[in-house]
Amino acid sequence: SQQGEEDPQALSIQEGENATMNCSYKTSINNLQWYRQNSGRGLVHLILIRSNEREKHSGRLRVTLDTSKKSSSLLITASRAADTASYFCATDRAAGNKLTFGGGTRVLVKP
Amino acid sequence: GAGVSQTPSNKVTEKGKYVELRCDPISGHTALYWYRQSLGQGPEFLIYFQGTGAADDSGLPNDRFFAVRPEGSVSTLKIQRTERGDSAVYLCASSLTPGDYGYTFGSGTRLTVV
Repeated sequence: SQQGEEDPQALSIQEGENATMNCSYKTSINNLQWYRQNSGRGLVHLILIRSNEREKHSGRLRVTLDTSKKSSSLLITASRAADTASYFCATDRAAGNKLTFGGGTRVLVKP
Repeated sequence: GAGVSQTPSNKVTEKGKYVELRCDPISGHTALYWYRQSLGQGPEFLIYFQGTGAADDSGLPNDRFFAVRPEGSVSTLKIQRTERGDSAVYLCASSLTPGDYGYTFGSGTRLTVV
């Protein structure tokens, strides 16, 4: 079963715009991670945020975590055509045991 | 190696046949994970190794699926009596300290059962 649910399922934006996607989950977590996937193959780790953190930045990425609402958001600023991909949130309940993924948000950045 | 290597990248097999999928993790990564991803969905957990032992195999769908990691590095996922429903991309990931830095995934093996 999948713990996380991403919203929206699909997103289409123009290059230069910001893209925001949300993730909700059901149980308590140790950390939450975001991954990018191109062409349905390998996933690339983007960012990890621990349960005691509220916000984290990495380049053009900004992740927030609200454990009281069991939700997270990923913001990609100044999007580029190369950001076109599927983005997945994944929760880790026990620091390395296993990840539970959501269904993903498919992002299309139009040049 | 520099990344997680999975072979073969594509595998087409006939229903009822036996297949083996191989994962070569990053050198020194003690944690290794197998996931399965169907089209349009997120990856689903299959099994997790810490060293040579399976720490959690709760995601294996049935007894046709089995995985080993005899020397704590390379792992093989074995599927017996394949069914069309087994068709998916099988992903392997490894990590040194997954609670800190996340996982490194391989490019996956696309299994098609005809």
